[in-house]
Amino acid sequence: GQNIDQPTEMTATEGAIVQINCTYQTSGFNGLFWYQQHAGEAPTFLSYNVLDGLEEKGRFSSFLSRSKGYSYLLLKELQMKDSASYLCAVADSNYQLIWGAGTKLIIKP
Amino acid sequence: DVKVTQSSRYLVKRTGEKVFLECVQDMDHENMFWYRQDPGLGLRLIYFSYDVKMKEKGDIPEGYSVSREKKERFSLILESASTNQTSMYLCASSFGTDYNEQFFGPGTRLTVL
Repeated sequence: GQNIDQPTEMTATEGAIVQINCTYQTSGFNGLFWYQQHAGEAPTFLSYNVLDGLEEKGRFSSFLSRSKGYSYLLLKELQMKDSASYLCAVADSNYQLIWGAGTKLIIKP
Repeated sequence: DVKVTQSSRYLVKRTGEKVFLECVQDMDHENMFWYRQDPGLGLRLIYFSYDVKMKEKGDIPEGYSVSREKKERFSLILESASTNQTSMYLCASSFGTDYNEQFFGPGTRLTVL
C-alpha cells in the first residue's frame, strides 16, 4: 500500500530552528510537496522537490532523498505565525497526490 | 493569482438532506478535486475530474457524487447526508501537466445533525 509518515505534533521555540520529517512508500514517485495549513484555513503551497537535494526558499528549506524515501522541511528563525500544520504529499506513478496526516507545529515564545 | 472559491464556509444540514457543495476556479485548470479532512486522518480524496463531464473515484467515494458540466466548476453532492459526513470539505484544482501543485479553496465546514 501507499503510506506517508510524519510526526503528529512538534513544539519549538520562537527564533529557533525546527526540522519536520516525512517518510514515504508509494507506487512510483513524481515529486514531493510541502504545504502549510493554518487552523481553519486551506493548505497553501510551500515547496516542491523532484530531485535529490536541498531547495531553499527564504526561512524555509526542503530536502529530498529518493533512495531513502525521505524528506524534511526545515524552518529557521521561527516566528509565532509559523504555528500551523505542515502537510507532506507525494505524487505517485499516476501523478495523484498521496497526503500525510500532517504535523502540527506549536511555537512557544 | 489562482483563485479557487467554494460556495459556503459553514453549512449545517439535517440527516437525509441532499447537500450541494460548489467549487469554482478561475485559472482554466484541467484537474479538479474534492477532499475531506478529518483530525488525524489528513486529506482523503473523494472524487476528481480531469476534464469536463469526466469523473474518477478517489479513496472514499461512497455516499458522494460529483458533477462537472463546465471546466471551471466542480460540484460535490451528498445524496442523503449522514452524521458521519460531518467534516471539512476542501476543493482543489491543478494544471493538467506532470507538475501537479494543487491550489485549494477556503473549505466548507459541514455539520450534519
